[in-house]
Amino acid sequence: GESVGLHLPTLSVQEGDNSIINCAYSNSASDYFIWYKQESGKGPQFIIDIRSNMDKRQGQRVTVLLNKTVKHLSLQIAATQPGDSAVYFCAENYSGSARQLTFGSGTQLTVLP
Amino acid sequence: KAGVTQTPRYLIKTRGQQVTLSCSPISGHRSVSWYQQTPGQGLQFLFEYFSETQRNKGNFPGRFSGRQFSNSRSEMNVSTLELGDSALYLCASSLTESEAGELFFGEGSRLTVL
Repeated sequence: GESVGLHLPTLSVQEGDNSIINCAYSNSASDYFIWYKQESGKGPQFIIDIRSNMDKRQGQRVTVLLNKTVKHLSLQIAATQPGDSAVYFCAENYSGSARQLTFGSGTQLTVLP
Repeated sequence: KAGVTQTPRYLIKTRGQQVTLSCSPISGHRSVSWYQQTPGQGLQFLFEYFSETQRNKGNFPGRFSGRQFSNSRSEMNVSTLELGDSALYLCASSLTESEAGELFFGEGSRLTVL
C-alpha cells in the first residue's frame, strides 16, 4: 500500500528576516527541551536547549521560549541566512527517562534569497 | 575531535534477513542512544546504553536489539527484516548519563529493505 509520510509544516522566510518555529510538546512532566537542526543527508545537530525552570534562553542568533502553561516551545532565529535552511525538530525529555527524547514532527525552513 | 561515526552509511537487505549497524561514539562519551527516522513516524527512540547496560528501550518489537561494548562502541541488530524497517538509523552519544546535556548525532545508516 501507499506509505503516508509526515506532512511537515513549512516556513519560508526572506534572507535577513527573523524566523519563528513553533512546537507543541506532549508530556507535562517533561523538564528538558532541545531544538535540533537537520540538513539533508545529515544527522540532527544540537542548536539550543532549555530546562523547565526557565522560560527563555538565548544563544548566538537563536532564542528559545518555553510556555509550560500551554506546553509550547518556540525557536526564534534572528537575521535568517541561507545556511539556516533545514528541518528543525523540537525534542522533550523528562527526569527519570534517561536519554529517551521524544521528537516533534519537524518544520521545514526555507530561506529565500 | 572526531564525531559520532556510524557504519555502514548505506545498505540494502531483503525481507527476512538480519542486519547489524555499528556506532562509535565521540571519544570519552559513555552514553549511546539509537533512533529510527522514517517519513511516516519521524524520529523514534530505540534504546540507550550507558556503561554497557541498556538503560531504556523504546516501543519496538524484540527483533530490534542492541549492545554496548567496554570501549563504548555500540551495535544494533534487526532480525527478520520487514519492509517497514527501511529507515535512517541514527546513533547519538553523550558525555553523561543524565537526561540533560547535548546529544551528538552521527549521520546515520540508511537501511533499505526490499
